[in-house]
Amino acid sequence: AQSVTQLDSQVPVFEEAPVELRCNYSSSVSVYLFWYVQYPNQGLQLLLKYLSGSTLVKGINGFEAEFNKSQTSFHLRKPSVHISDTAEYFCAVVRSGSGGSNYKLTFGKGTLLTVNP
Amino acid sequence: EAQVTQNPRYLITVTGKKLTVTCSQNMNHEYMSWYRQDPGLGLRQIYYSMNVEVTDKGDVPEGYKVSRKEKRNFPLILESPSPNQTSLYFCASSLQWVADTQYFGPGTRLTVL
Repeated sequence: AQSVTQLDSQVPVFEEAPVELRCNYSSSVSVYLFWYVQYPNQGLQLLLKYLSGSTLVKGINGFEAEFNKSQTSFHLRKPSVHISDTAEYFCAVVRSGSGGSNYKLTFGKGTLLTVNP
Repeated sequence: EAQVTQNPRYLITVTGKKLTVTCSQNMNHEYMSWYRQDPGLGLRQIYYSMNVEVTDKGDVPEGYKVSRKEKRNFPLILESPSPNQTSLYFCASSLQWVADTQYFGPGTRLTVL
């Protein structure tokens, strides 16, 4: 069964500091990987996704993530955060079900990033 | 404006009283799905629809029903709500399938007393 593990439930950082939000997945087959962001009292929006090709993926708002197949990881990074980056971040993976015909999107439990002045 | 809308945004109801949460998208998307979000559990998929008249269970379908009679609409039905269905519900749509970018609605906060 596919699972997504976000290793930190909360990450507090100071403004202009770098940040890394960690995500690991378990799968023996190829996967598609995503990071979504949820600002307070809003729905989710896509930050970036990895489907194939270059393992370094750049997204919106200066975020990037690196797909590491050997480590089964897809960590999200930003070199310098702003107060406005305060939000909850969700890692997600598309997995295939039995027979490869039943694709489902599974989310991690989320990481709350709090950027302090 | 391209968007996913949900109604109502907030609902307080009592155990056993049937309710429907509507979801509509104006982007001509094929794929639609429902999620519930609970503290510490992230988002869990309830049902999804690959296209009109084709729906399938997600990870937590018990106690929910859906229908997809038109491409733009995907209502979520709770025939007999129970307190454990108190949650924040999100509808989402994407162009063709689940690995396309999901566009989320604003959410419906449901409380079942």
